Amino acid sequence: SQTIHQWPATLVQPVGSPLSLECTVEGTSNPNLYWYRQAAGRGLQLLFYSVGIGQISSEVPQNLSASRPQDRQFILSSKKLLLSDSGFYLCAWSVPNPGANVLTFGAGSRLTVL
Amino acid sequence: GENVEQHPSTLSVQEGDSAVIKCTYSDSASNYFPWYKQELGKRPQLIIDIRSNVGEKKDQRIAVTLNKTAKHFSLHITETQPEDSAVYFCAASRLKTSYDKVIFGPGTSLSVIP
Repeated sequence: SQTIHQWPATLVQPVGSPLSLECTVEGTSNPNLYWYRQAAGRGLQLLFYSVGIGQISSEVPQNLSASRPQDRQFILSSKKLLLSDSGFYLCAWSVPNPGANVLTFGAGSRLTVL
Repeated sequence: GENVEQHPSTLSVQEGDSAVIKCTYSDSASNYFPWYKQELGKRPQLIIDIRSNVGEKKDQRIAVTLNKTAKHFSLHITETQPEDSAVYFCAASRLKTSYDKVIFGPGTSLSVIP
């Protein structure tokens, strides 16, 4: 069966420090991968999506970047965190399918920037 | 790009009553509309979805309706129970042979009062 792992679960970082959140998927090949951010009391904002290794699409201009160095690995990074980067980050994957686009989410990473 | 609006942002109902959440989308080419439920402290999970070639779909106490002309779709929960309390997200996507991004609404926080 397929599983998705996301870490770290919680992170407290000072302003200006770097960030690296990792996500891996097991049990499937060539998944679509996504990073969403969920600010407190708000919806799920799509940050990045990837349909293959090295293929990254950015949805919103921001202080973050994403990389996909391996087929089932998706990394969210920042060189210098801002206060506004605080939030709950969710990685998700889906099977490329012309009939549906069902997302399976990881457990999330809660980032607090102080 | 696609924009999904969702109303109401919060909803309180008595146990046993019905709950209705409404969404609108902007991209007329969207053809897949999933609904996700996020319980407190947990990850969002798909509860039901509908494709554009169908006007209504039902799964036990949950039903979704779609009006493509008006670009509206709704979630109906009947005989609500306390375990239905959660944040519900509607979403829209344009399915292709490969992939298209899933854009979420801002969410509705549903409280079912025993």
